[in-house]
Amino acid sequence: DAMVIQNPRYQVTQFGKPVTLSCSQTLNHNVMYWYQQKSSQAPKLLFHYYDKDFNNEADTPDNFQSRRPNTSFCFLDIRSPGLGDAAMYLCATSRVRGGGEKLFFGSGTQLSVL
Amino acid sequence: GQNIDQPTEMTATEGAIVQINCTYQTSGFNGLFWYQQHAGEAPTFLSYNVLDGLEEKGRFSSFLSRSKGYSYLLLKELQMKDSASYLCAAMDSNYQLIWGAGTKLIIKP
Repeated sequence: DAMVIQNPRYQVTQFGKPVTLSCSQTLNHNVMYWYQQKSSQAPKLLFHYYDKDFNNEADTPDNFQSRRPNTSFCFLDIRSPGLGDAAMYLCATSRVRGGGEKLFFGSGTQLSVL
Repeated sequence: GQNIDQPTEMTATEGAIVQINCTYQTSGFNGLFWYQQHAGEAPTFLSYNVLDGLEEKGRFSSFLSRSKGYSYLLLKELQMKDSASYLCAAMDSNYQLIWGAGTKLIIKP
């Protein structure tokens, strides 16, 4: 029944070592989002895709990249993780981008940087 | 600028009622969402309001006043499993969600 699936649930990487987080969805939703959330803070939108149309938030660091090879899959690449990138990374989907469209979240990937 | 304000933490007793307030300032408005987030887990959708008034859904109700830029989430008959953070998010004219930092709700027996 899992609808938005994130792997892995926990990821440990070393300072500066590239890491890729993955997300897949079985909802056939057009929109996919990547959020970063640190403890007791609001989720911060990094990117979103409307179908294949990629949208990068203005304050997303260049260190973060994303790919969406097809409707079902989306990846978040962190090229050179720093200590400040340790956070929960949330993938979410919505049917379309519009009023009233709720987000469906995956279980998140908790990233630790050593 | 766009902003959401909600209390950082609240404490309530099992079986009681609690109201979590949220005020928002956005460029345009396309509705207000409430999400529940248990520690270490992803947010799950609770409610959506776009018109003024109260929406009731079981033990949870959500209220919106557009003229005041104000919403609240009302939780009745509190259970221990309601211990979580409650995130308020307003959607602006570009359909972008502006998120609050969440209100951590602690339920005591």
